[in-house]
Amino acid sequence: KQEVTQIPAALSVPEGENLVLNCSFTDSAIYNLQWFRQDPGKGLTSLLLIQSSQREQTSGRLNASLDKSSGRSTLYIAASQPGDSATYLCAADSGAGSYQLTFGKGTKLSVIP
Amino acid sequence: DTEVTQTPKHLVMGMTNKKSLKCEQHMGHRAMYWYKQKAKKPPELMFVYSYEKLSINESVPSRFSPECPNSSLLNLHLHALQPEDSALYLCASSQGPPDQPQHFGDGTRLSIL
Repeated sequence: KQEVTQIPAALSVPEGENLVLNCSFTDSAIYNLQWFRQDPGKGLTSLLLIQSSQREQTSGRLNASLDKSSGRSTLYIAASQPGDSATYLCAADSGAGSYQLTFGKGTKLSVIP
Repeated sequence: DTEVTQTPKHLVMGMTNKKSLKCEQHMGHRAMYWYKQKAKKPPELMFVYSYEKLSINESVPSRFSPECPNSSLLNLHLHALQPEDSALYLCASSQGPPDQPQHFGDGTRLSIL
């Protein structure tokens, strides 16, 4: 059974700093990995999806990497802003056509002005 | 603004009530999902509809009854819920795996008295 872990559970950084969020998974036979953002009381916003054949995806100040062999993914946020404050969740899709995402518990990011 | 619309945003009901949650998307997505999210926890998958047919039921109690009237609509019928069912209920849709992300609504905050 796939298990997804995110460390740290919470992170506080000053505005402008670059930062990395970590995600690890136990079953390397993933189909893809997604990163989401969740603001308090809101739904999830999809940030990046990395297919198993890819090593990284970029969108604006965000860069996500995937290393299946080590069971790790990272989300790099450049030049952090207070508006980046949110909980970031990663989720692994472990089966072709399975539709089933296994989520980590998230990292709560606070960017201090 | 999210492209997946959920109504109502908040719902308070007694344990003997019958109510329904609604979800709508007009992105032409063929897969739709219901998730349950407790406070400070990741979303847990409840049901998946693929091409308007129920494809996954994650051992959800029968007091939750999903319905997919057409490709744009997803309902969750609620009856005789328990206080522990209080949570944020999220709807999501996707074009389909493997390389399409799930898009989430803002959820319905459900409180059971």
